[in-house]
Amino acid sequence: DAGITQSPRYKITETGRQVTLMCHQTWSHSYMFWYRQDLGHGLRLIYYSAAADITDKGEVPDGYVVSRSKTENFPLTLESATRSQTSVYFCATLDGTSGSYEQYFGPGTRLTVT
Amino acid sequence: GEDVEQSLFLSVREGDSSVINCTYTDSSSTYLYWYKQEPGAGLQLLTYIFSNMDMKQDQRLTVLLNKKDKHLSLRIADTQTGDSAIYFCAERGGMTTDSWGKLQFGAGTQVVVTP
Repeated sequence: DAGITQSPRYKITETGRQVTLMCHQTWSHSYMFWYRQDLGHGLRLIYYSAAADITDKGEVPDGYVVSRSKTENFPLTLESATRSQTSVYFCATLDGTSGSYEQYFGPGTRLTVT
Repeated sequence: GEDVEQSLFLSVREGDSSVINCTYTDSSSTYLYWYKQEPGAGLQLLTYIFSNMDMKQDQRLTVLLNKKDKHLSLRIADTQTGDSAIYFCAERGGMTTDSWGKLQFGAGTQVVVTP
C-alpha cells in the first residue's frame, strides 16, 4: 500500500546503545522530516531533508544522525542512546506540489531508553 | 524561536460545540494548520487556512484566523465521541532559506468528549 511506514513501532534499548529508526515512503515526496513528541512540548523537529543526499538540522538535533541515500528512505540513528531520548518519534513527508504544503505523518515509533 | 501556544485540555459534552484556541508569534506565517492525533496514531491533517483568509468552513469544522492578534481557533460543531483526540495547531512560515517551510507546532490540546 502507498504511504509512509515506520519501523519498529516499539523499541526498548539500553543507555549507550546505538539504535536506528526506519522511515519509508512510497509517494516519492521530496521532503522528509523527523520529529519527536514529548508531553508538554508538542512536536519538535530533529532533522529534515529536502531531497536525497540533502539533510539539515532542526530544533533538537544533538545525539541524532540521519542519512538519505534514497528518496524513499530516511533513517534516524541515535548514536549512543540516553534516557532523555525516550520519546515517540514521527517521520513525515511533505508534498511540495500541493497547495496546502501538507505534511503526512507516519504512525510513530515509541522508543524507551532504560 | 517562534512560539505556538494552545491550552492543554478541553472537556466538552457530546453534541455541544468545541472551540480550541491557539496563538502564534510569527508574523510571516503563510499557512496555519490543525492536526488531529488519535491514541497510538500519527498526526492527520484536519484543515488548514492560508494567512490571507479570516475564516474557513469545512463541514463541522470552522477555522477562524485573526492575523492582527495572531490568534487561530478551531470550532467543531456537534462534537462526537470520535472527536476525542489531541489537536495540534501548527504554523508554517514562508519558503525562505531559513524557514524552509518547516512547521512549528503547539503542545497540543487534549479534547475529551463526554456522553
